[in-house]
Amino acid sequence: EPEVTQTPSHQVTQMGQEVILRCVPISNHLYFYWYRQILGQKVEFLVSFYNNEISEKSEIFDDQFSVERPDGSNFTLKIRSTKLEDSAMYFCASSSGQDEQFFGPGTRLTVL
Amino acid sequence: DQQVKQNSPSLSVQEGRISILNCDYTNSMFDYFLWYKKYPAEGPTFLISISSIKDKNEDGRFTVFLNKSAKHLSLHIVPSQPGDSAVYFCAASGGGNKLVFGAGTILRVKS
Repeated sequence: EPEVTQTPSHQVTQMGQEVILRCVPISNHLYFYWYRQILGQKVEFLVSFYNNEISEKSEIFDDQFSVERPDGSNFTLKIRSTKLEDSAMYFCASSSGQDEQFFGPGTRLTVL
Repeated sequence: DQQVKQNSPSLSVQEGRISILNCDYTNSMFDYFLWYKKYPAEGPTFLISISSIKDKNEDGRFTVFLNKSAKHLSLHIVPSQPGDSAVYFCAASGGGNKLVFGAGTILRVKS
């Protein structure tokens, strides 16, 4: 069964450093998303991406964040200068249309 | 952001009985609702969804009921199995793809 994959599973970084979280969405899906879950809090929407551009983003997704689909299979989330409060589980998701989204296993980001 | 609320942090059910998980929403623009199941250290797994034009959707042991006038939906699991023990999230979307999640309900199915 097709699934969304994410790498790495755990990323530890120093405050102020850049990180890139990687995702391989389900191959025939057209819509891609990033969500995050800070420990003990709700899963929060960050950004959606369709047709090679951002279709919607939340207030959390400020200038420190960017997304890219560098080739036909990968979808990345970059945080330019990490802060302590960026520590969270980051989930990538994809969908074929405006319907159910399928999530990856997540990347645990720890900012020290 | 309290647009989607799951007021029961946890639920404990005996194996074989029905589990009923509840969710309330406040945004009238929501037109699509989903339930996800999540195990520790894994991503949310899609279970079942319902469009606002329906009031019930069934898939095997899982049934979702939508009451638009009350802005309420529920997930019924019958019969409950120990493997169903997980965190269940209600999510909603409207006018776009962004999902708004509830806080989750921990379901424990006792054997």
